Amino acid sequence: KQEVTQIPAALSVPEGENLVLNCSFTDSAIYNLQWFRQDPGKGLTSLLLIQSSQREQTSGRLNASLDKSSGRSTLYIAASQPGDSATYLCALVGGATNKLIFGTGTLLAVQP
Amino acid sequence: GAGVSQTPSNKVTEKGKYVELRCDPISGHTALYWYRQSLGQGPEFLIYFQGTGAADDSGLPNDRFFAVRPEGSVSTLKIQRTERGDSAVYLCASSSLAGGSVDEQFFGPGTRLTVL
Repeated sequence: KQEVTQIPAALSVPEGENLVLNCSFTDSAIYNLQWFRQDPGKGLTSLLLIQSSQREQTSGRLNASLDKSSGRSTLYIAASQPGDSATYLCALVGGATNKLIFGTGTLLAVQP
Repeated sequence: GAGVSQTPSNKVTEKGKYVELRCDPISGHTALYWYRQSLGQGPEFLIYFQGTGAADDSGLPNDRFFAVRPEGSVSTLKIQRTERGDSAVYLCASSSLAGGSVDEQFFGPGTRLTVL
């Protein structure tokens, strides 16, 4: 059974710092991996999607990498801002029905 | 539509009552998903529709939960004899592809269900 773990569970950094969020999974047979952002009381906003054949994806200050062999993905946030404060979730698709399997998330607080 | 919408945004009910939660997917999206998110946890898969049919309902916790999508667009998640443990945020997502590796899911704002 696929399990997804995110470390750390919570992170607080000063504004301007670069940071890395980690996601690990137990079964390397995945189709794609998606990173989401969730603001309090809100739904999920898709940030980046990495296909299984790709190593990384970039969007603005965000960069996500995927290493299937080691069962790991990282989300790198450059020059963090207070507006980046949210919960970040990684999720992967490992089966034919495309259901997402989520980690428990990392709660990020960027202090002004 | 511009995005996935869900109604109601909040629902408070009493134990034992029946509730219906509605999801309007992005126009033209053939795939629709329901997830449930408990406090402090990541969302958990409930059911997946491809068109009108449920392609995977393996995540439904028991037979009190049922979902329909009669015309391949709007979906309704139905919960009978609600229990306090059903309290959670119910999220709906849709995607445009029938399957494959690139199938980005777009989520609605969710319905917060509270069972008293």
